[in-house]
Amino acid sequence: QSALTQPASVSGSPGQSITISCTGTSSDVGGYNYVSWYQQHPGKAPKLMIYDVTSRPSGISNRFSGSKSGNTASLTISGLQAEDEADYYCSSYTSSTTRVFGTGTKVTVL
Amino acid sequence: HVQLQESGPGLVKPSETLSLICIVSGDSISSDFWNWIRQPPGKGLEWIGYIHYSGSTNYNPSLKSRVTISVDTSKNQFSLRLRSVTAADTAVYYCARDTGHGGGYSFQDWGQGTPVTVSS
Repeated sequence: QSALTQPASVSGSPGQSITISCTGTSSDVGGYNYVSWYQQHPGKAPKLMIYDVTSRPSGISNRFSGSKSGNTASLTISGLQAEDEADYYCSSYTSSTTRVFGTGTKVTVL
Repeated sequence: HVQLQESGPGLVKPSETLSLICIVSGDSISSDFWNWIRQPPGKGLEWIGYIHYSGSTNYNPSLKSRVTISVDTSKNQFSLRLRSVTAADTAVYYCARDTGHGGGYSFQDWGQGTPVTVSS
């Protein structure tokens, strides 16, 4: 299985909105509403931010939102804050009942 | 609130077997899917595989020939064995739980990660 494709980096100024894309195939992202997103700060374990494409776990800010169109899922961070600077990974359930991660995106707050 | 803690040798010789355990506390391991995920230095996350509490397993096709994940419900822990390791297996190894369909097959809980270096 191939990793889902994400842009290597995305940047924005405080207060702005940014969007990270995650492109897969009809066998993963496009075939199921089981896309999740993770935030990872340096030296830390990843943290679940979005699941089921659009759902937020308890305690996650509503500045984080998810969507999907066809084989591409997206994570939008609105009202960008300095603490949002981190690496972000998408993940999807696949037709083989395996899981696959995206290549990762480094978010920089200018 | 469930907690996961990885443990095992931090150094493994090439061609040998990497063995890690993940101790689960705060909830029973007799439910859900229990996963291993790794992250090579400076690189992205790679899903290794899972074991379902029923004992069924599924592995990343690229690692399937070398991986075994097992569970010990009496000790509330699960294990990873990766055979014939090379330097490319050097990574931080995480264990994680996903609750299946109800949680969107997402990784809701993670261990802190344990670094493993493959070197002679």
